[in-house]
Amino acid sequence: NAGVTQTPKFRVLKTGQSMTLLCAQDMNHEYMYWYRQDPGMGLRLIHYSVGEGTTAKGEVPDGYNVSRLKKQNFLLGLESAAPSQTSVYFCASWTSGRETYEQYFGPGTRLTVT
Amino acid sequence: GQQVMQIPQYQHVQEGEDFTTYCNSSTTLSNIQWYKQRPGGHPVFLIQLVKSGEVKKQKRLTFQFGEAKKNSSLHITATQTTDVGTYFCAGLTGYQKVTFGTGTKLQVIP
Repeated sequence: NAGVTQTPKFRVLKTGQSMTLLCAQDMNHEYMYWYRQDPGMGLRLIHYSVGEGTTAKGEVPDGYNVSRLKKQNFLLGLESAAPSQTSVYFCASWTSGRETYEQYFGPGTRLTVT
Repeated sequence: GQQVMQIPQYQHVQEGEDFTTYCNSSTTLSNIQWYKQRPGGHPVFLIQLVKSGEVKKQKRLTFQFGEAKKNSSLHITATQTTDVGTYFCAGLTGYQKVTFGTGTKLQVIP
């Protein structure tokens, strides 16, 4: 089991460019999340999905779009990158039907927008 | 909206000293989880608390959930250098939605 993987690990973008971050999990989890982490602000939820074909807004969704066409993949898109989107992005997943709401995190993507 | 605050934001301790981080939610939580993130790494699940007043221990770590289910604490006894990292609490808020606390960064001085 690879767990949760994220692609790419690092990326530098210029303002206005677009990109897609890919999250993949091989644990058959229903729920997948995208967070951003900035110094002193913890992890903030961008968008999440409770199942294939569904998405919902989190705490800081502006400037991002997501898609969950396959259960194992959750894509995060930046249509027109801005310096304020410089951050570390983490994807996480978990499954229902268990007593523990344990989220499994990917290794993160470090994005710099210049 | 839902807010989960943690204090302190940073803590430097001498190796062997104790450490405590506190987590406070603006609303009642159905459960609370704790995660540890090593420098340069990703958050890793430590434990979940569900019941009011619940206390759980993992070796030198003691986790507590408040009676009103709005606050929680993590206490580490006799810190070691391996305890270095940022500790986050996270509360289940809304449908399948988790709100993370702001985190406490622990530095242990050998």
